[in-house]
Amino acid sequence: GAGVSQSPSNKVTEKGKDVELRCDPISGHTALYWYRQSLGQGLEFLIYFQGNSAPDKSGLPSDRFSAERTGGSVSTLTIQRTQQEDSAVYLCASSLNSGGARDTQYFGPGTRLTVL
Amino acid sequence: AQRVTQPEKLLSVFKGAPVELKCNYSYSGSPELFWYVQYSRQRLQLLLRHISRESIKGFTADLNKGETSFHLKKPFAQEEDSAMYYCALGNNFNKFYFGSGTKLNVKP
Repeated sequence: GAGVSQSPSNKVTEKGKDVELRCDPISGHTALYWYRQSLGQGLEFLIYFQGNSAPDKSGLPSDRFSAERTGGSVSTLTIQRTQQEDSAVYLCASSLNSGGARDTQYFGPGTRLTVL
Repeated sequence: AQRVTQPEKLLSVFKGAPVELKCNYSYSGSPELFWYVQYSRQRLQLLLRHISRESIKGFTADLNKGETSFHLKKPFAQEEDSAMYYCALGNNFNKFYFGSGTKLNVKP
């Protein structure tokens, strides 16, 4: 079946502009994660959605970052007033979440964001 | 604080040599430990997790709670093992912490 998909694959924007990144998880997966991967760094946890529960936003780096998940499926990560330090690869992952953190995460191909 | 440390950014070995990718963690509870791998031009994918106690592609990893380590080992490296490897910890609140990754280069 289809894996996790993300769009766009690449996004170049100017400092100060808003951007939206989209994630389509695997059908039936109730858990969805967003990560940020900066050059030379590991994956930084941003936000976690589980079903219809309130998301865990504790990893969002500032109030310029927000995310929503509509209908328990597609998720959008929005970055307002982008800064150059926001340049990174943004990864989305989904899991069945039958056992919480024990579940395998399936990753999307990522969106490479470049802020000029 | 929860943290995952991979001390080596780059590890180069010759084909057929043993390889060990180091991973240390800090977590006060009972962690779930994973190794994820990213081959060139492919997406990040699960390699193995400690709870399964399995060997995947000849790789094994043992959780050592005393040393808080979860090193990844393979007795005979192959060229196709060249990739980026990430150690990850999952806590009781469904949050994951990834290390900074180790690039493994297996030379012919």
